[in-house]
Amino acid sequence: EDQVTQSPEALRLQEGESSSLNCSYTVSGLRGLFWYRQDPGKGPEFLFTLYSAGEEKEKERLKATLTKKESFLHITAPKPEDSATYLCAPADSQGNLIFGKGTKLSVKP
Amino acid sequence: DAGVIQSPRHEVTEMGQEVTLRCKPISGHNSLFWYRQTMMRGLELLIYFNNNVPIDDSGMPEDRFSAKMPNASFSTLKIQPSEPRDSAVYFCASRTGTGVQPQHFGDGTRLSIL
Repeated sequence: EDQVTQSPEALRLQEGESSSLNCSYTVSGLRGLFWYRQDPGKGPEFLFTLYSAGEEKEKERLKATLTKKESFLHITAPKPEDSATYLCAPADSQGNLIFGKGTKLSVKP
Repeated sequence: DAGVIQSPRHEVTEMGQEVTLRCKPISGHNSLFWYRQTMMRGLELLIYFNNNVPIDDSGMPEDRFSAKMPNASFSTLKIQPSEPRDSAVYFCASRTGTGVQPQHFGDGTRLSIL
């Protein structure tokens, strides 16, 4: 059975304190892995797609990496506006997304 | 560009009533997805359409749930009769169809069944 586990469930950082979020997955026929950001009362907002192990993508203070079993979202020198829930979603052999429950990130000034 | 548009944003109704959620996908996108989000289970796929045709409805919880896509610019998710355990946030997403492209989400409908 396909499974996605994100850790930690919640993370509190001080502004400027770098850290990483983890997404571990077991998905048959993986066709890619997506990262989304979700703000309260909003729908998930697309950040990155990673298609193969070793691939990296960057956007501002965020960098996503992918291995055969995990993906990491590294956040460098975060700001309060980076506070959100970050969702990981591997795509199965049909291209359907299997969402993890997310990591709720809080960045304090 | 307009994103995915969902209505209503909030719905409060009594158990047993019929509920209809609406979605307008991004113009030109040919795949449409309905999800449900709860604290306990996270985001779950209910059903998806490709070119207005339902492809996989295995995530629909039971016969009380039905979805239609009469044309490329409109879809509905209906619950009849509604139950308190249906309370959740329901999201619609759309995607352009070739390869593994990102899905783009609306801002959801928060449904409360009393």
